[in-house]
Amino acid sequence: DVKVTQSSRYLVKRTGEKVFLECVQDMDHENMFWYRQDPGLGLRLIYFSYDVKMKEKGDIPEGYSVSREKKERFSLILESASTNQTSMYLCASSPPLSPIYGYTFGSGTRLTVV
Amino acid sequence: GNSVTQMEGPVTLSEEAFLTINCTYTATGYPSLFWYVQYPGEGLQLLLKATKADDKGSNKGFEATYRKETTSFHLEKGSVQVSDSAVYFCALSGLTGGGNKLTFGTGTQLKVEL
Repeated sequence: DVKVTQSSRYLVKRTGEKVFLECVQDMDHENMFWYRQDPGLGLRLIYFSYDVKMKEKGDIPEGYSVSREKKERFSLILESASTNQTSMYLCASSPPLSPIYGYTFGSGTRLTVV
Repeated sequence: GNSVTQMEGPVTLSEEAFLTINCTYTATGYPSLFWYVQYPGEGLQLLLKATKADDKGSNKGFEATYRKETTSFHLEKGSVQVSDSAVYFCALSGLTGGGNKLTFGTGTQLKVEL
């Protein structure tokens, strides 16, 4: 069964910490994405990547960075965590023609910053 | 740019009732349309899709028809069950403008009661 795996389901971090959220996919997909999900706001795209070592900003990249050193792994980095980054984070991947195939999502990481 | 508008929730229904969740879109080019479902505590799962006008996507008793003339992709189910309680997201992906990124609606929560 193909899947996208996020390393943690729940995470609690302190303000100012550097936080790493890891995502691994086993489908050999070129495209990977990081979203955050907040009540009333739906899904908002943070960063995405079309290839190894390639990244592009999404709609809300401020306070985040990403790393894609290998095709199967896409990491989201919170440089200095703040309480307004408390959220559900969702990773997704897709083949190049995602207009047809859509995305496969991970189960999400619920991050709380205290 | 591309956008998706969904009816606000929560939608509360009795078991075996008929379900409609409205979705309309704005897009350039020829988008593909998707419905995703998110069960409590989980990531998003692809429920159904349609890639061209007049296509009907269907899965697990749910269906939606791609209506280009009304720019709509309403989700329907003839008889809902308690297990259908979840958040439903409408999304589109176009071959122009948005590249191969999905644009999501804000989600509609469905609650089904006995």
